[in-house]
Amino acid sequence: EDQVTQSPEALRLQEGESSSLNCSYTVSGLRGLFWYRQDPGKGPEFLFTLYSAGEEKEKERLKATLTKKESFLHITAPKPEDSATYLCAVRSNQAGTALIFGKGTTLSVSS
Amino acid sequence: SQTIHQWPATLVQPVGSPLSLECTVEGTSNPNLYWYRQAAGRGLQLLFYSVGIGQISSEVPQNLSASRPQDRQFILSSKKLLLSDSGFYLCAWSVGHSSGNTIYFGEGSWLTVV
Repeated sequence: EDQVTQSPEALRLQEGESSSLNCSYTVSGLRGLFWYRQDPGKGPEFLFTLYSAGEEKEKERLKATLTKKESFLHITAPKPEDSATYLCAVRSNQAGTALIFGKGTTLSVSS
Repeated sequence: SQTIHQWPATLVQPVGSPLSLECTVEGTSNPNLYWYRQAAGRGLQLLFYSVGIGQISSEVPQNLSASRPQDRQFILSSKKLLLSDSGFYLCAWSVGHSSGNTIYFGEGSWLTVV
C-alpha cells in the first residue's frame, strides 16, 4: 500500500531561521512527487513536482529535493508570510491519476 | 485560464439530512475530476475520481456518492448524513494521464453535521 509520511507535524521558526521539512514515501512505482501549500480554510496551492532522484526545484525561498525514499522542502530565510501547512503527495502506479497525500507539516514563522 | 468553482463554501446540516456539493471547472475540456475530504488531524483522503462523463471510481466505501452529469461538472451527494461526514471537502481537477499532470484544487466546502 502506498504511504506518505511527513515530519515534523509542526514547526516553529523565527524569521530568517532556515530549516527543512521531510516527506518519506513508500510507493509501488513513483510517477511524481508533489508539494503543495495550504493556507487555513483554503484549498491546497501547487508548488512543485519532482520525478526522479537527484532532481531539485526552486521557487523564491523554497527548494524541493528528491531521493529514492524521501523528499525535502528547504525553506531559506523564511518570512511570516511563509506560514502555512505544507503538503506532500505522490502519484504511483497503483494510484492511477490521483494523488496520495501525507498529513502535512504546519509551519509558523514569527517576526 | 482554467478556474474551478465549488459551492456552497460552508454548510451546517443535521444528521440524516441529504447533501449536495457542486463543482465546475472552466477553461478546459475533458478534465479528470476529484473529490477529496480533509478531516481534522488527517491528510487529504481521496473519495472519488472521474476521467469522463458518467465514469466514477470510488476509493472509500461510505454513504457518499458522486456523479458527473456534464464534462466539467462534478457533484458529491449523500442521502443521509452521518456525524462522521463532517470535514473539509475539496474538488480538484487535472488534465491528461501523464505522470506530470498537476492536480489543482478549489477553495473547498466546510461541512458540519450536527
